[in-house]
Amino acid sequence: DTEVTQTPKHLVMGMTNKKSLKCEQHMGHRAMYWYKQKAKKPPELMFVYSYEKLSINESVPSRFSPECPNSSLLNLHLHALQPEDSALYLCASSPEGGLHEAFFGQGTRLTVV
Amino acid sequence: ELKVEQNPLFLSMQEGKNYTIYCNYSTTSDRLYWYRQDPGKSLESLFVLLSNGAVKQEGRLMASLDTKARLSTLHITAAVHDLSATYFCAVDHFGNEKLTFGTGTRLTIIP
Repeated sequence: DTEVTQTPKHLVMGMTNKKSLKCEQHMGHRAMYWYKQKAKKPPELMFVYSYEKLSINESVPSRFSPECPNSSLLNLHLHALQPEDSALYLCASSPEGGLHEAFFGQGTRLTVV
Repeated sequence: ELKVEQNPLFLSMQEGKNYTIYCNYSTTSDRLYWYRQDPGKSLESLFVLLSNGAVKQEGRLMASLDTKARLSTLHITAAVHDLSATYFCAVDHFGNEKLTFGTGTRLTIIP
C-alpha cells in the first residue's frame, strides 16, 4: 500500500460547524503533514507530526486543531472557520521528517459558507 | 527565511519543443524535490535530488541540482500535451521537517 488516503474528498461547512478531516497511511511512515493550498498558489505547511508528536505548528489559528491518534492516522479538526479558510487541504507522509520525499493524499476540497 | 522561486511562472510551448524551468532557493540545502500537479488534483512526486550535481531523468523530463548556485532545473524534451500541468520545486531545511514549495510553473503544451 503506497497511498495516503484522505476523507472526505469534498466538504462544505458553515462558519459555526465543527468538522474533521482524516488522513491515513499504511506505509510505516513516521512523519505526517497538513498543508493548505489556495487556488493557483503553492502548498503551505500547517503542521508536522513526527513519531506521533507535533513538531511544527506554522502559527496556524486555533480554529484548526491537529491530532495524531496513532502512527497511521492524522486528523484535522475544524471549528468556527472563516470563508477565507476555503482551500484544498493536503495530507502528506514521509518515512522520516525532512529526509525523504513526501507522499501526498488526494486532498480535501473545503468550502466554508 | 527560506525562499524558493521558480521561473517562469507561466509557460506555453508547442509540442515537440524543448524548454527548461528554473528553481532558485535562498539558503543552503542539498535536498530538492520536484512535483507535478494537475488541476484540482494532488501532488505527484517526480524527482528527488539529494546531492550536488544530482541528475535524474524520467521520460521527457530531466532534473538537476547545483547546490553551490542554489539552483535546480527541470528540462523538458520534445514536449507532449500530457505534460501540461503545474510543476513545483520544493526544498527542505537542514535537519528540519519543513518543506517549502516554489511558486510553481504552469505549463501548457499546445498541439
